[in-house]
Amino acid sequence: EVQLVESGGGLVKPGGSLRLSCAASGFTFSSYTMNWVRQVPGKGLEWVSSISSSSSYMFSADSVKGRFSISRDNAKNSLYLQMNSLRAEDTAVYYCAREFYDSSGYGFDYWGQGTLVTVSS
Amino acid sequence: EIVLTQSPGTLSLSPGERATLSCRASQSVSSSFLAWYQQKPGQAPRLLIYGASSRATGIPDRFSGSGSGTDFTLTISRLEPEDFAVYYCQQYGSSPPRWTFGQGTKVEIK
Repeated sequence: EVQLVESGGGLVKPGGSLRLSCAASGFTFSSYTMNWVRQVPGKGLEWVSSISSSSSYMFSADSVKGRFSISRDNAKNSLYLQMNSLRAEDTAVYYCAREFYDSSGYGFDYWGQGTLVTVSS
Repeated sequence: EIVLTQSPGTLSLSPGERATLSCRASQSVSSSFLAWYQQKPGQAPRLLIYGASSRATGIPDRFSGSGSGTDFTLTISRLEPEDFAVYYCQQYGSSPPRWTFGQGTKVEIK
């Protein structure tokens, strides 16, 4: 069974840092591009960042570029999001999601349960 | 930057009725990179449709996707009680590389 379990969320002051983790199991983690997606409670989904299976390419939303950094450790089946210079508008539930593709196309087929990050003084 | 606009914002329907949800892109997108998700309160999103028209594993055939270019549609042929939720479309653009979600359509019980 595919499982993605996020951790590391919590309350942090503006300007602070936090590192989110996503532990993957039930599939060959090193074969998949992984993503972070966030959602302000009661609002829509916002893609944050992607990292390819071997970490050869990474890209992020403009809203977090220069502040957030995505990484992975395939030996530990883990995905990370280092968040620096946090702002109130970064308050959201953060999901990790597996990127799937086949001959028909692409989608995010498995999601974690999310971890809440609250940025407040 | 491609913007996805979903309509309507809210759809009020009864169980058994047909739901038609629209996702319009500000410029042409590749059908391969157009997906639809369902999200219920307190839950993570669930992939329904990818490649604009392919159902994800385990998704009932009452869900179907269609469209190309800038106009895409998610259709639920006969609404079941468990289908009342928020639906999002998503696309990938390569210049610059990024994923984008629409703002969502809420399907509520009338």
